[in-house]
Amino acid sequence: NAGVMQNPRHLVRRRGQEARLRCSPMKGHSHVYWYRQLPEEGLKFMVYLQKENIIDESGMPKERFSAEFPKEGPSILRIQQVVRGDSAAYFCASSPGRGTEAFFGQGTRLTVV
Amino acid sequence: GQNIDQPTEMTATEGAIVQINCTYQTSGFNGLFWYQQHAGEAPTFLSYNVLDGLEEKGRFSSFLSRSKGYSYLLLKELQMKDSASYLCAVRDRGSQGNLIFGKGTKLSVKP
Repeated sequence: NAGVMQNPRHLVRRRGQEARLRCSPMKGHSHVYWYRQLPEEGLKFMVYLQKENIIDESGMPKERFSAEFPKEGPSILRIQQVVRGDSAAYFCASSPGRGTEAFFGQGTRLTVV
Repeated sequence: GQNIDQPTEMTATEGAIVQINCTYQTSGFNGLFWYQQHAGEAPTFLSYNVLDGLEEKGRFSSFLSRSKGYSYLLLKELQMKDSASYLCAVRDRGSQGNLIFGKGTKLSVKP
């Protein structure tokens, strides 16, 4: 049973470009969480999704950031018009149900140059 | 507001015991988690406490006191591979399942 798969592991974007981060949850998991980790900072919750639904996006910046978890395929975190401050590690976690233990992926390290 | 505090760094000796403390202030409480994170890698689950008391799992134990808003992670018989960051996280009662993380404690194990 493969773990949570995130790709790419490393992503470099120039300011103003778009970044797309992908997360495939563990088999049988229908709940996905996205977190952002800045250097020397803790993990910060961004968004919680179930298939085709955004359940909680209280941690998402109001502009430029969006997330989806379609019926088929991975969850996508999309950052438009990236700025240097978006440089961080973005982690995805999945769980089989609400409130159960979450398993994390290896993360995508975004660098904006 | 939500606040989770843990020491920034700790150092311990191989074979020793170390205790990493975590205090929290949240609007509600629905469980406390400890994760281990090696540099550049994913956080991995260590323990979960929702009731007061000690949970033991091999070399690792975790304690919770809800009345004091306090938890600790106890690591016994330290090994060099235990050098990592240890993350304390709380699930707020009102949350949809997402976790509120502390900044993590970076543990260095010396020979």
